[in-house]
Amino acid sequence: EVQLVQSGAEVKKPGESLKISCKGSGHSLVNYWIAWVRQKPGKGLEWMGIIYVSDSAPRYSPSFQGQVTISADRSISTAYLQWSSLKASDTAIYYCAAPTPATGILSPLNIWGRGTMVFVSS
Amino acid sequence: DIVMTQSPDSLAVSLGERATIDCKSSQSVLSSSNDKNYLAWYQQKPGQPPKLLIYWASTRESGVPDRFSGSGSGTDFTLTITSLQAEDVAVYYCQQYYTSPQTFGQGTKVEIK
Repeated sequence: EVQLVQSGAEVKKPGESLKISCKGSGHSLVNYWIAWVRQKPGKGLEWMGIIYVSDSAPRYSPSFQGQVTISADRSISTAYLQWSSLKASDTAIYYCAAPTPATGILSPLNIWGRGTMVFVSS
Repeated sequence: DIVMTQSPDSLAVSLGERATIDCKSSQSVLSSSNDKNYLAWYQQKPGQPPKLLIYWASTRESGVPDRFSGSGSGTDFTLTITSLQAEDVAVYYCQQYYTSPQTFGQGTKVEIK
């Protein structure tokens, strides 16, 4: 089964851009849907959006549409989450997660990365 | 968006006793096409990512102890831990994956009394 390996923690200033990654290990992500989930400090889980790595077509939660960009590069089995201008309120742990392939977009998330901590402060 | 509401927000249970968490969705997550409830439960321990426990409202994920069970249909669901163990201390979340955006409940913190 694939493992999701996320990029390391980031410390950024408001207004800076950032792109974090989620790479498949042990198996290609080509047939996987990859979701991004936000968890603010001490808070619950928020589903941000999802992308099918094969066609790189993202679907966003309305709460996050226009705030972030989800993308993927099938050639290197990697999904991305990026910001063009960070805010302090973007401080959170960001998890990538995936359902078992072939179960489709409407599936539970049974594979999780360890998370990437993003800290935004002036 | 479908709003998922869990109750209680936290509970303290003695070791070996039963813990029950409820989850209510603002609209049905039962599909008429396949008669499945698109409802999952996750466990999150401190410093760890969430772990899938239950899907289709009542199917245990491989490797999950059978003291964890899920029930319910439509808009009302329950996660039951029949005999609480020390390692079950965690925050538990329900999630609907019936429609996009998928949404989570606010979480229920389970502690030892």
